[in-house]
Amino acid sequence: DAKTTQPTSMDCAEGRAANLPCNHSTISGNEYVYWYRQIHSQGPQYIIHGLKNNETNEMASLIITEDRKSSTLILPHATLRDTAVYYCIVRVGDTGGFKTIFGAGTRLFVKA
Amino acid sequence: NAGVTQTPKFQVLKTGQSMTLQCAQDMNHEYMSWYRQDPGMGLRLIHYSVGAGITDQGEVPNGYNVSRSTTEDFPLRLLSAAPSQTSVYFCASSSPGQDHEQYFGPGTRLTVT
Repeated sequence: DAKTTQPTSMDCAEGRAANLPCNHSTISGNEYVYWYRQIHSQGPQYIIHGLKNNETNEMASLIITEDRKSSTLILPHATLRDTAVYYCIVRVGDTGGFKTIFGAGTRLFVKA
Repeated sequence: NAGVTQTPKFQVLKTGQSMTLQCAQDMNHEYMSWYRQDPGMGLRLIHYSVGAGITDQGEVPNGYNVSRSTTEDFPLRLLSAAPSQTSVYFCASSSPGQDHEQYFGPGTRLTVT
């Protein structure tokens, strides 16, 4: 699976959009981009995933560049409860998530 | 559905003791995995299973054994606990395919003295 690079930490004001970048320059054609988050010491929680088209769900939007070498997770109106570690993961889609490799992620601080 | 459950929530062991961390899921997922998370670090994959009777090693398998006799259960055994195994352990399950997310349990916090 391709490796990812994320900033160590980011700040965001409550109510503003949080834009979390991820670089995955070695991504292969059959690899998807997944985002998970981990709030405090809970288990990670799935947010969104995509292959090459932009995706949106009730939690967030995922923007993938045309060359697929980077992506951005957007939380449109961040709240204090969005303070968490966000993991960007690239993996082959049809293998399922049984051996997902997590990096260090980005620690997002949402401030009042 | 209860989702993914893990027991115990907390455990303290002495060096050299053995124990089994329990993980169960009621979503009929084929895939199950064990991760450990050390303070301030990301998750590291210990072992995984793609179905009953099938297991394989992840990034950090040494000191741990697993078995998968049923679809629902995936216990993790520490054979002889060491202080380096002090960590939070997460179990996860999922179905095959790109549209299926991993569901994580609440974790077991293990301290080895």
